[in-house]
Amino acid sequence: AQSVTQPDIHITVSEGASLELRCNYSYGATPYLFWYVQSPGQGLQLLLKYFSGDTLVQGIKGFEAEFKRSQSSFNLRKPSVHWSDAAEYFCAVGGQLMDSNYQLIWGAGTKLIIKP
Amino acid sequence: KAGVTQTPRYLIKTRGQQVTLSCSPISGHRSVSWYQQTPGQGLQFLFEYFSETQRNKGNFPGRFSGRQFSNSRSEMNVSTLELGDSALYLCAGARDPAYEQYFGPGTRLTVT
Repeated sequence: AQSVTQPDIHITVSEGASLELRCNYSYGATPYLFWYVQSPGQGLQLLLKYFSGDTLVQGIKGFEAEFKRSQSSFNLRKPSVHWSDAAEYFCAVGGQLMDSNYQLIWGAGTKLIIKP
Repeated sequence: KAGVTQTPRYLIKTRGQQVTLSCSPISGHRSVSWYQQTPGQGLQFLFEYFSETQRNKGNFPGRFSGRQFSNSRSEMNVSTLELGDSALYLCAGARDPAYEQYFGPGTRLTVT
């Protein structure tokens, strides 16, 4: 079955430090890949997406993600986090298998806590 | 251009009542998906509509239903509300089901 795993429920990072949030997926086809961010009480905002082409994708707010097909991963990175990055981050994987509609599968989310 | 709008933003209902939530996607976006978000269960997919047709449905009871109109606006209805239906209900629009989704701010439903 298709699945998306975000292994870390919470991550605590000091302000100014680098960040990597992990996302692994199981999917029987070439997927579309997304990262979204959600601030408390808000909707989700698209950070970046991968459909094809260059496997290193740049997004908004200084985030980037790298698609590694061999590892079935799409990890999100930022070189230096700011207190305003404290939020919950969701990875999503989309695709269409034979005889089915396109589906988007969501990870459980990773809550990012920033230490001053 | 205007973003995704959801109305109402907050709602308090009593057990047994029914509720209708509304979502208007960005102009030109014909796909609308609905999600339920709770602290314990995370983001749960309810259903997706594209050009007025339900394409996908999540694993929710029949009390949860939806529809989409010709102008792409969508409504979801929950009948016979239960305490466990208290959640943030998010809708997301997309130009096409295979494209990225754009989320509204959500409707916070509290069932007492």
